[in-house]
Amino acid sequence: NAGVTQTPKFQVLKTGQSMTLQCAQDMNHNSMYWYRQDPGMGLRLIYYSASEGTTDKGEVPNGYNVSRLNKREFSLRLESAAPSQTSVYFCASSESPENRGSSYNEQFFGPGTRLTVL
Amino acid sequence: RKEVEQDPGPFNVPEGATVAFNCTYSNSASQSFFWYRQDCRKEPKLLMSVYSSGNEDGRFTAQLNRASQYISLLIRDSKLSDSATYLCVASNPTGNQFYFGTGTSLTVIP
Repeated sequence: NAGVTQTPKFQVLKTGQSMTLQCAQDMNHNSMYWYRQDPGMGLRLIYYSASEGTTDKGEVPNGYNVSRLNKREFSLRLESAAPSQTSVYFCASSESPENRGSSYNEQFFGPGTRLTVL
Repeated sequence: RKEVEQDPGPFNVPEGATVAFNCTYSNSASQSFFWYRQDCRKEPKLLMSVYSSGNEDGRFTAQLNRASQYISLLIRDSKLSDSATYLCVASNPTGNQFYFGTGTSLTVIP
């Protein structure tokens, strides 16, 4: 059971380049999330997917797109990277509150991707 | 105003000390609450969920005060291994989005 995996672990881009961050989970969770973490800002939600086939904007979606490819995989795409997108990106998954029968749905995080945009 | 606010610290305490962290949340309809622990350059991991009745897990006690929109974490008999950043989390009313505080840094000193 690998939990939540993310690739790549590190990436350096030039301004204007594009890239896709990959995330996969093997816990059969319905909900998946993309966060960015910046010093002094904490974790901020970029996009989330409550179930396969649905995606919704979070707190900071501008400059990003997502795809929920299937139940396991949720990718984050930067179409034209900017220095302001330099950050650590975390993917997470959880069971849906209604499926769990409880509002306490623990999120499991991947190891993160450290992205630098020059 | 941020959804969740917590004192960033740092808290530097000797081994064996008791330390308390506090956090406030802005949405009175938030449904669920958590404390996560994050080690340096690692991903956050769940420390404990926070229930209205308060809950305890070994040396850790979490409390929720809905009237004051306030969450706390108490760590007793601090160990060196408790050194980490502690993140306070509140969900939205439907429980499908989560808001993280900026974290409180704890260093336990020998």
